[in-house]
Amino acid sequence: QKEVEQNSGPLSVPEGAIASLNCTYSDRGSQSFFWYRQYSGKSPELIMFIYSNGDKEDGRFTAQLNKASQYVSLLIRDSQPSDSATYLCAGRGKHSGYALNFGKGTSLLVTP
Amino acid sequence: EADIYQTPRYLVIGTGKKITLECSQTMGHDKMYWYQQDPGMELHLIHYSYGVNSTEKGDLSSESTVSRIRTEHFPLTLESARPSHTSQYLCASSVAGEYGYTFGSGTRLTVV
Repeated sequence: QKEVEQNSGPLSVPEGAIASLNCTYSDRGSQSFFWYRQYSGKSPELIMFIYSNGDKEDGRFTAQLNKASQYVSLLIRDSQPSDSATYLCAGRGKHSGYALNFGKGTSLLVTP
Repeated sequence: EADIYQTPRYLVIGTGKKITLECSQTMGHDKMYWYQQDPGMELHLIHYSYGVNSTEKGDLSSESTVSRIRTEHFPLTLESARPSHTSQYLCASSVAGEYGYTFGSGTRLTVV
């Protein structure tokens, strides 16, 4: 079982809608989670991190963490075509020296 | 603007050659990482370092070695390149604590 699982998509939403990206993890010892955005041919860039149960908001982005369900999500409000990218979920686990374990990513397409 | 630099950006090399992928950061980060990413796939941790003279292998056995003689420099060496090493190699660094990584621009390696 992979440590971090994501639906690869593609997820298609119209411009202005809310995009909801989801991620589950298997390591109950994971304490913190990260969302990265990766444009095609580029390296990942950090959007948000969360380590407490509940919601964390930053501009148009909201990260949600539910440790009981081992579930992390990212909501993007007022989606823009420039948000079209692959979104990577990562968790910091106990093994590998607490390095980040990444999911495969979900491809998001925002259509005008 | 990224403060972590990888060279070369692209490299095509013959089977059996020895190669070194360079990674340097100017942020004074103690922690540095190497990941391998194939198209559409998750990032796999190859090596990591939590400080000078500290290196550990990650989950992926890539037949590579690393060194950390200086805080800012974390090169990756393949002693004998094979076609199976064809991939994108991403270097990242982070500070201590619950923060994410900053990634370099990556090196896209093709072994023919």
